[in-house]
Amino acid sequence: EAQVTQNPRYLITVTGKKLTVTCSQNMNHEYMSWYRQDPGLGLRQIYYSMNVEVTDKGDVPEGYKVSRKEKRNFPLILESPSPNQTSLYFCASSTSGSNQPQHFGDGTRLSIL
Amino acid sequence: AQRVTQPEKLLSVFKGAPVELKCNYSYSGSPELFWYVQYSRQRLQLLLRHISRESIKGFTADLNKGETSFHLKKPFAQEEDSAMYYCALRSNTGFQKLVFGTGTRLLVSP
Repeated sequence: EAQVTQNPRYLITVTGKKLTVTCSQNMNHEYMSWYRQDPGLGLRQIYYSMNVEVTDKGDVPEGYKVSRKEKRNFPLILESPSPNQTSLYFCASSTSGSNQPQHFGDGTRLSIL
Repeated sequence: AQRVTQPEKLLSVFKGAPVELKCNYSYSGSPELFWYVQYSRQRLQLLLRHISRESIKGFTADLNKGETSFHLKKPFAQEEDSAMYYCALRSNTGFQKLVFGTGTRLLVSP
């Protein structure tokens, strides 16, 4: 089944404790992206990757890191999480080309205390 | 600036009533527009895209370049349509980037 898989689905942690949210897709998509979803703000892009070893900042990259060592994986790293990073995070992937829809993962709900 | 505006946070209708979820955009050039739906506690799913001119689950959306709008419509709402709806614009900066509106929650009551 074609899908985007995120782990964990839920995480409660404390300020300053490094964490990684994994994202994996099995559709051989070139493009992958991370969004955060906050009430009243919709979805905002954090980082994106056009292909292996090619990443760039989205609209709200502060406090986040990513890597794209393999085509299928695009982990989101919070080196020193803070409470304002409490949010619902979505990973998405798509193939290249116009009008190709993005496929979203199930989301990861992070709570930083 | 590229922006998507969904003016209504909540739209509440009765089953069988017509529905129109508003979406306006600002963009220079030919936009690529999408509607995504998020049912309770589920992932975002593509509902439809303007290029396809398709009807999915009874929903349609027409791109009106003059009014810079891409409103989502359904003639007869069903309870299972209750969900969060996001209008999105593919940006011309940031390869494949989607710019989302803030979303409209549709609540269909029996």
